[in-house]
Amino acid sequence: EIVLTQSPGTLSLSPGERATLSCRASQSVTSSDLAWYQQKPGQAPRLLIYGASSRATGIPDRFSGSGSGTDFTLTITRLEPEDFAVYYCQQRGGSPPVTFGQGTRLEI
Amino acid sequence: QLQLQESGPGLVKPSETLSLNCSVSGASVTIHYWNWIRQPPGKGLEWIAYLHSSGNTNYNPSLKSRVTTSVDTSKNQFSLKLNSVTAADTAVYYCARYYDNAYDFWGQGTMVTVSS
Repeated sequence: EIVLTQSPGTLSLSPGERATLSCRASQSVTSSDLAWYQQKPGQAPRLLIYGASSRATGIPDRFSGSGSGTDFTLTITRLEPEDFAVYYCQQRGGSPPVTFGQGTRLEI
Repeated sequence: QLQLQESGPGLVKPSETLSLNCSVSGASVTIHYWNWIRQPPGKGLEWIAYLHSSGNTNYNPSLKSRVTTSVDTSKNQFSLKLNSVTAADTAVYYCARYYDNAYDFWGQGTMVTVSS
């Protein structure tokens, strides 16, 4: 199983600041198979980034993804109030073929 | 616009079978891979299964012995059955489409509680 470890567990920032979220894989992940999601309370996750660095439809350009191999990063520049949520990374590969990180809570 | 909607009982007794359907609108269920994902209260996301109308399926090894999935092309929906449930199966269950190596459309989720 490919384990995704996200850090930090909780990130406390203010609107206007920059957020850097990390996702580390227990073994190498193909960049095309790495995605990031945002989840707000009571809602389903929303796709932000696919293929490690491609923004999904309608996602603002303050969200960006980068990384390769075992280390991936989600960066949010100029935090907006609506960005405070839980963020998950997800990969496809291995067995089980899909795994998610445990999440990073971004709070004010 | 693609929409997915989960349906099924919100309460299931221990040792019984959890059954959920996911109705798809805006796309044919014969295309793409469809998935079930769950989230226990206050916890993270767990992938359960993916399925395709061709019959190609894959299940999480931790649940494989208890999971069955199917596609109903006449109703444009797919389903999940999880048998011998326990309290550990209490979760919000989501259906989602897998496209371009990511889950781009999700249902709103349905809460299933396992309790007598």
